[in-house]
Amino acid sequence: EAGVTQFPSHSVIEKGQTVTLRCDPISGHDNLYWYRRVMGKEIKFLLHFVKESKQDESGMPNNRFLAERTGGTYSTLKVQPAELEDSGVYFCASSQENGRGEKLFFGSGTQLSVL
Amino acid sequence: GNSVTQMEGPVTLSEEAFLTINCTYTATGYPSLFWYVQYPGEGLQLLLKATKADDKGSNKGFEATYRKETTSFHLEKGSVQVSDSAVYFCALNSGYSTLTFGKGTMLLVSP
Repeated sequence: EAGVTQFPSHSVIEKGQTVTLRCDPISGHDNLYWYRRVMGKEIKFLLHFVKESKQDESGMPNNRFLAERTGGTYSTLKVQPAELEDSGVYFCASSQENGRGEKLFFGSGTQLSVL
Repeated sequence: GNSVTQMEGPVTLSEEAFLTINCTYTATGYPSLFWYVQYPGEGLQLLLKATKADDKGSNKGFEATYRKETTSFHLEKGSVQVSDSAVYFCALNSGYSTLTFGKGTMLLVSP
């Protein structure tokens, strides 16, 4: 069974550009989460999808971030325009049940560097 | 709000040394506690968990005990291996759908 896959693994962009991160959850997992780790800080929750609906987006830092999950399968996270403080590792996770921690499966993350 | 504090790294040890990584938390209610591990180039993996006070989680020789009186969940291993080199994250879940993580502690084990 394939795990959670994220693409790209690394992205280097300039301030003001747009970047789109993609996450493919495990097949059949209705719950999909985005988290972010800024260098030297905690991994922070960004948002939670149940199928194609946003269940909780309280962690989204500002309106430069847009997450979608069309059709309830893969998800994209777009940053437009990117700022220096957006640099970090973006993790995606999925679960079959509403995410008690032991049921979450994480991807290996996208390392985003904004120069 | 919820928070997790874990010791700063990196922690550098020789193979077969004893490991402790401290973790304390602040949370409302009765959270579940977790240790996640990230090996180089891989995603976060659940290492162990404990869901109530005095529970001991264990896996791959690692252990952690849920101490409500000290709000702690310290990770221990009696004899580390080079393959244990990774970043370790303490986390909690207090009944909502999201996890609250600590900053992570890098462990480097040399032969």
